[in-house]
Amino acid sequence: SQKIEQNSEALNIQEGKTATLTCNYTNYSPAYLQWYRQDPGRGPVFLLLIRENEKEKRKERLKVTFDTTLKQSLFHITASQPADSATYLCALGYSTLTFGKGTMLLVSP
Amino acid sequence: GAVVSQHPSWVICKSGTSVKIECRSLDFQATTMFWYRQFPKQSLMLMATSNEGSKATYEQGVEKDKFLINHASLTLSTLTVTSAHPEDSSFYICSAEGSGGKETQYFGPGTRLLVL
Repeated sequence: SQKIEQNSEALNIQEGKTATLTCNYTNYSPAYLQWYRQDPGRGPVFLLLIRENEKEKRKERLKVTFDTTLKQSLFHITASQPADSATYLCALGYSTLTFGKGTMLLVSP
Repeated sequence: GAVVSQHPSWVICKSGTSVKIECRSLDFQATTMFWYRQFPKQSLMLMATSNEGSKATYEQGVEKDKFLINHASLTLSTLTVTSAHPEDSSFYICSAEGSGGKETQYFGPGTRLLVL
């Protein structure tokens, strides 16, 4: 069955540094991979989508890479801010999405 | 941007009662809406796909007679948890596909259900 792994431990970094989150998957060959942000008690908010034929995608301070050989996506937030503290979810799929459990990011001032 | 609302935001009910949750796309039409459930520290699990004017498609293991879905219009889908039990307590989230295509889904703020 499809399996998506995101680091379950929270990532603590200092303001201004680059945060890097990892999403690994098995038994799946998604054409699309998406990243969402979820704040406590709230629904996810779409951040970025990357297609299988794209190696990298950027949006402001965000960058996503997609390595279909390694079956891995990396999500980077540069110049991180305390306001970036949230749980970040990786999701595979186009319309019907399969989510990972997410990784909590804590950015301290 | 596209906005999806849910009502109520939280509900507490007694075991055995039914609870209806509404999901509305406020500024766009959504032919397809999705219902997810999320338990604490777990991933969002897709329960069903709701298409306007047709029957919902349920994921494996989700009881269609217990979780009734109605997508009566292009802006409204409802999820009714029938005969709720404490194990149904969870965070229910809906999403709607953007009208410009299927690449982006807009999620509602979620509904917290607590069954006593």
